[in-house]
Amino acid sequence: SQQGEEDPQALSIQEGENATMNCSYKTSINNLQWYRQNSGRGLVHLILIRSNEREKHSGRLRVTLDTSKKSSSLLITASRAADTASYFCATVDNRDDKIIFGKGTRLHILP
Amino acid sequence: ETGVTQSPTHLIKTRGQQVTLRCSSQSGHNTVSWYQQALGQGPQFIFQYYREEENGRGNFPPRFSGLQFPNYSSELNVNALELDDSALYLCASSLARSYEQYFGPGTRLTVT
Repeated sequence: SQQGEEDPQALSIQEGENATMNCSYKTSINNLQWYRQNSGRGLVHLILIRSNEREKHSGRLRVTLDTSKKSSSLLITASRAADTASYFCATVDNRDDKIIFGKGTRLHILP
Repeated sequence: ETGVTQSPTHLIKTRGQQVTLRCSSQSGHNTVSWYQQALGQGPQFIFQYYREEENGRGNFPPRFSGLQFPNYSSELNVNALELDDSALYLCASSLARSYEQYFGPGTRLTVT
């Protein structure tokens, strides 16, 4: 079963604009992670935010976590063509440490 | 430091056959997880191995089995292949108790 649900399913923006994608989940989590996947290949870990954190930054990435709403957002600032990829949120369940991925957001950066 | 590698890259099998996929962990990583990713979906957790023992399993039938070797490399075996087993199979390694996983490029399995 997939716990995380990303929104939107697909997003197209102009290069240089900011991209925001959201993730909602259902259970109590230890942490939430975001991954990037290019062209159906391996996933690349982007950032991890723990359940007791509210916001985290890494370069052009900003992640927020609202455990009361069971949601997270990933903001990519000043988008580049190389950011074109699918982005997945993954939650680590507090009960059994299993990592569960959402269905992903397909981001397309237009030149 | 070498990354996670998987073999083969692509594989075509016939329904009912058996398949073995292989994964070499990133240097120093003692935990390996396997995922199945159907087209347009997120990865689904199959199972995880830590120090050669299965350490958690997702909602997959027993015909999906695995092994981890002393050098932390791993195999995923699937028996009695079904058409729905067609997917990208991803291996990820990590350090125990670290949630950050390093993924290999995947093996694309097609069952006809």
